[in-house]
Amino acid sequence: SYELTQPPSVSVSPGQTARITCSGDALPKQYAYWYQQKPGQAPVLVIYKDSERPSGIPERFSGSSSGTTVTLTISGVQAEDEADYYCQSADSSGTVVFGGGTKLTVL
Amino acid sequence: EVQLVQSGAEVKKPGESLKISCKGSGYSFTSYWIGWVRQMPGKGLEWMGIIYPGDSDTRYSPSFQGQVTISADKSISTAYLQWSSLKASDTAMYYCARRRDGYNVYYMDVWGKGTTVTVSS
Repeated sequence: SYELTQPPSVSVSPGQTARITCSGDALPKQYAYWYQQKPGQAPVLVIYKDSERPSGIPERFSGSSSGTTVTLTISGVQAEDEADYYCQSADSSGTVVFGGGTKLTVL
Repeated sequence: EVQLVQSGAEVKKPGESLKISCKGSGYSFTSYWIGWVRQMPGKGLEWMGIIYPGDSDTRYSPSFQGQVTISADKSISTAYLQWSSLKASDTAMYYCARRRDGYNVYYMDVWGKGTTVTVSS
């Protein structure tokens, strides 16, 4: 198994752009996925296969990949986007690994 | 509607056994892997293991191997997570989630609401 590293926290003002990174040695070979978790709720998938957005997820959520780092970008951040965000990947056998999570604070 | 419905909150004493459940509906339960994820209070998501209800093939994270047992009863579309002897450190929220697979694609597309397990004397 391997590790995914995220910053513990990111802060942004409403309307600004938030960028949350996730680094891991296997990311050039494996897709990354992103989940949003609000207090008291189960995680919700917001990005899959590095940059695809599930139906029902606002367009302001996007994902990108470059080498060993993937990035979740939230454009025009809203107060409702305040949450914990987790990146996830998997090894070649399908064993899932999560990043440590990033708390997004909307100032 | 595809959903996973988890059993209710549990309060147990150290040393007791416990089995929590996760019932799938709205899809072919035997065609998707079901994973279990632990979230300790104030902490992040931890991968525990996964089961394929179609043939009960089960894989554990090394951190949880021997600590828990994952099983499934496909006749009632239900997966289980069980402990034989709980510890205070097992206090956490436990989520089940359906894994979506493809070529080099593995992610959790449907989550249960979670089961809170509290272990205290």
